[in-house]
Formats: sequence, C-alpha cells, structure tokens
Amino acid sequence: DTEVTQTPKHLVMGMTNKKSLKCEQHMGHRAMYWYKQKAKKPPELMFVYSYEKLSINESVPSRFSPECPNSSLLNLHLHALQPEDSALYLCASSLSKGDQPQHFGDGTRLSIL
Amino acid sequence: AQSVTQPDIHITVSEGASLELRCNYSYGATPYLFWYVQSPGQGLQLLLKYFSGDTLVQGIKGFEAEFKRSQSSFNLRKPSVHWSDAAEYFCAVGAGGSYIPTFGRGTSLIVHP
Repeated sequence: DTEVTQTPKHLVMGMTNKKSLKCEQHMGHRAMYWYKQKAKKPPELMFVYSYEKLSINESVPSRFSPECPNSSLLNLHLHALQPEDSALYLCASSLSKGDQPQHFGDGTRLSIL
Repeated sequence: AQSVTQPDIHITVSEGASLELRCNYSYGATPYLFWYVQSPGQGLQLLLKYFSGDTLVQGIKGFEAEFKRSQSSFNLRKPSVHWSDAAEYFCAVGAGGSYIPTFGRGTSLIVHP
C-alpha cells in the first residue's frame, strides 16, 4: 500500500471540462511534487511545492494549475486540456525539497477526449 | 546539466537467472544516483540510492548496484530474478543542489518462467 494517495485513479474528460486531481500524504513531508508520465517514458517533473509554496514550475502550460492548500494536500486543477495531455500523473512527497526517497502515489490515468 | 543513459530498452531473462541493468550518467561532480522500479499500474518505488561512501549499495528486494566513477556507471544487479521482478526500471541522477532526480528512459524487464 502506498503512503501517498491519489484520486481519482482514472479520469476521462473533454477538452472544455474543468477537473482536479488530488494527492494526499500524512507522513509529515514538507515537499510535494507533480510529475507527468507518458506511456513507456520516464516521469517528467512539472511542479515542486516546498512548505506549501511553489518552488519549481518546469514551464508547464497554464492549463495546469497546482495548489497546495496545506502540508498534506496537493491539487492539480485542469482546464481546457489538449489530447496530448493524456498521461499518467504522479504525485510524490519527501521530507524536504530534493530529499530522498521520494514517495510516489500510484497516479491518476488521465484521458482527454 | 546532468543526464542519464539506459542503453537497453528491454531485457529478457529466465526466472532464477542473474540480472544486470546498465546505467551511465553524465555530471561534472559526484552525483546522487538512484534506481526506481515501476510495476504496471503503480507509481515508482525507490530500490536503492548512492550518495557517497561505499560504492556497492544494497537495496530492497535483493537488488544491489555498484558506482564506478571511472566508467560513469551505476549498474543494477540481482543474483536470481523472480517473476515478480518484471517491471520498468528507471535509473536517475540528482545533482545541482536540489537533488531532484532526472530519470533515464527506463528498461523494461521481462521474466520468462
């Protein structure tokens, strides 16, 4: 069982929809990460939050909007996505930014119609 | 900037056989090195990490890796593979202060009975 919980596990949405991905951890970690992973590819870092503040944004399009309302929760708000945004979205956490190991959730499989 | 090369896209072994997955990195100083495993439908799990010290690192699930500075390599080994080891394996390097890992493209391990 993973200690990082992501919901939903699967999400299908149209290009005009607005949806959110949720990530939760109760390990007291103060760094949280969003990754995007296409099939048969490595994860690509999207965002890093450190102590609830956005620390790194890897030039991600504005149709992806992260939010960290508290130290246990990380959201990724989605709006006007494109078909190429279909992927597995992984959340991870660590004690502090860059600390290892990162604990990964099982991801949300996102499909854009 | 750091980079990681995993030269083998697929590796096929028989159950009970030994395994070696190759990883080469590029970085000017001594990097942090990691091996992660990803089973189908799951997130990434850290197998082992190298920061400094003993160049032979023991990890979980019976895996080990050896850091060879002269060859810029960090190969993953296991003496006897089990069918449950079939998964995607990612080598990663962390450096540059944040130590957030940069992943290699991955090696898919297929285990024959």
